[in-house]
Amino acid sequence: EVQLVESGGGLVQPGGSLRLSCAASGFTFSDYWMHWVRQAPGKGLVWVSRIHSDGSSANYADSVKGRFTISRDNAKNSLYLQMNSLRVEDTAVYYCVRGDRFGYGDYWGQGTLVTVSS
Amino acid sequence: QSVLTQPPSVSGAPGQRVTISCTGSNSNIGAGYDVHWYQQLPGTAPKLLIYVNSHRPSGVPARFSGSKSGTSASLAITGLQAEDEADYYCQSYDSSLSALFGGGTKLTVL
Repeated sequence: EVQLVESGGGLVQPGGSLRLSCAASGFTFSDYWMHWVRQAPGKGLVWVSRIHSDGSSANYADSVKGRFTISRDNAKNSLYLQMNSLRVEDTAVYYCVRGDRFGYGDYWGQGTLVTVSS
Repeated sequence: QSVLTQPPSVSGAPGQRVTISCTGSNSNIGAGYDVHWYQQLPGTAPKLLIYVNSHRPSGVPARFSGSKSGTSASLAITGLQAEDEADYYCQSYDSSLSALFGGGTKLTVL
C-alpha cells in the first residue's frame, strides 16, 4: 500500500525557517517525480515545487522561488522541503504528492500544517 | 486568481447530472497538456478522480467522467449522490514549467 506521511509542520514566526519531511513507503520511491502542494485555510490547492526522480532537477512556483528548497533522499525514501524567510501568506497545509513530471498526483499524504504568525 | 478557471460552485439534486468546467489557455491545456481532476471531501486530502483527461483510477465510479477540448476540460457527474458533495479541482501543466490547479468548485447536493 502506498503511503506518504508528512511531518515537520508547526508554528513559526515571520522570517523564520522550517523543514518539512515526507516518508514514503509501498512503492519504489526512486522511480517517481515528487511534488509539494499547499492549501491555505479555506482556499484552493496551489502547486509549490517538484523534483525529478533522481533529484537532478527541481522547479518552484514563483511565490516560493529563492526561499524554498525541495530535496530528496532516495536511500531513505524521503522527500523534504526547506522553507526559509517564511511569510504569513505561506500559512497552509502542505501535501506531499507522488506524481509525474507534469504535476499529476496519484497519491497524496494527509498533509502537515504550517502556521506563520507572530 | 488561478490560471485555470473553474466555477466557484455548482449544485444539483440527487440523481441529476452536473458538469464542472475548467478553462485554460494556449500555454497549458491548449498546448496539449493533460488535465486531471481531484475530489476533496471536507477535512481530507485530495483524491485523484480522473487522470489524463478521461481515465478513471480503479475504484472511482463510472458516474464520473472527464473530457478535454481545445483550451478547456470538463468533469461530469451523473446520478448525483449525497456523498459526492465535495470540492473538485482540475490540474494541468504550463509551458512555464509549473503545474497548475484550478481555483476549485464546491459541489452542493441539494
